[in-house]
Amino acid sequence: AQSVTQLGSHVSVSEGALVLLRCNYSSSVPPYLFWYVQYPNQGLQLLLKYTSAATLVKGINGFEAEFKKSETSFHLTKPSAHMSDAAEYFCAVSLLPYSSASKIIFGSGTRLSIRP
Amino acid sequence: EAGVTQSPTHLIKTRGQQATLRCSPISGHTSVYWYQQALGLGLQFLLWYDEGEERNRGNFPPRFSGRQFPNYSSELNVNALELEDSALYLCASQPRTGLSGANVLTFGAGSRLTVL
Repeated sequence: AQSVTQLGSHVSVSEGALVLLRCNYSSSVPPYLFWYVQYPNQGLQLLLKYTSAATLVKGINGFEAEFKKSETSFHLTKPSAHMSDAAEYFCAVSLLPYSSASKIIFGSGTRLSIRP
Repeated sequence: EAGVTQSPTHLIKTRGQQATLRCSPISGHTSVYWYQQALGLGLQFLLWYDEGEERNRGNFPPRFSGRQFPNYSSELNVNALELEDSALYLCASQPRTGLSGANVLTFGAGSRLTVL
């Protein structure tokens, strides 16, 4: 069965610093991977997704993630943090391309705080 | 294009009462998913409705139920409310299974249920 682990429930960085949010997955077959962001008092919004095309995936708001099969990782990065990036970030894994969302497993989330 | 809309935004109930939450999916989306986001517990899959039928449910007791209407909108009902049911309930919709991008979810802003 697939699973996803987000390391660190809370990450704090200074404005302008590198953002690195960690996600490791477990899957017996090549997975589809996602990052979602949840701003305060809002639902989740898709940041980016990996679907076995390019291993480096670019998303919205300057975020990107790299799929590393050897490390079973899909870490999310942004070169320079902005105050507006403060939010909760969720990594998710799906085995099948057209499976229902009930087969999508979400991580427990990482809350990103930005220091002025 | 209107997004996924949920109502009410906030709901306060007492133990033992019933709560009804509503969700309207994006136009053209046939699947609706319900998730519970309790403090510190990430996203827990509750229910999946597609074409008016319940297709899958998560590990929740039967007092959590719902339905999907012919226009694909959905209701989530929680009977005999308990204190631990206090959470943000998120609805998400998805295009028809089998279509490209079908496993990308679009979330509503959620309904916050408080049980006193």
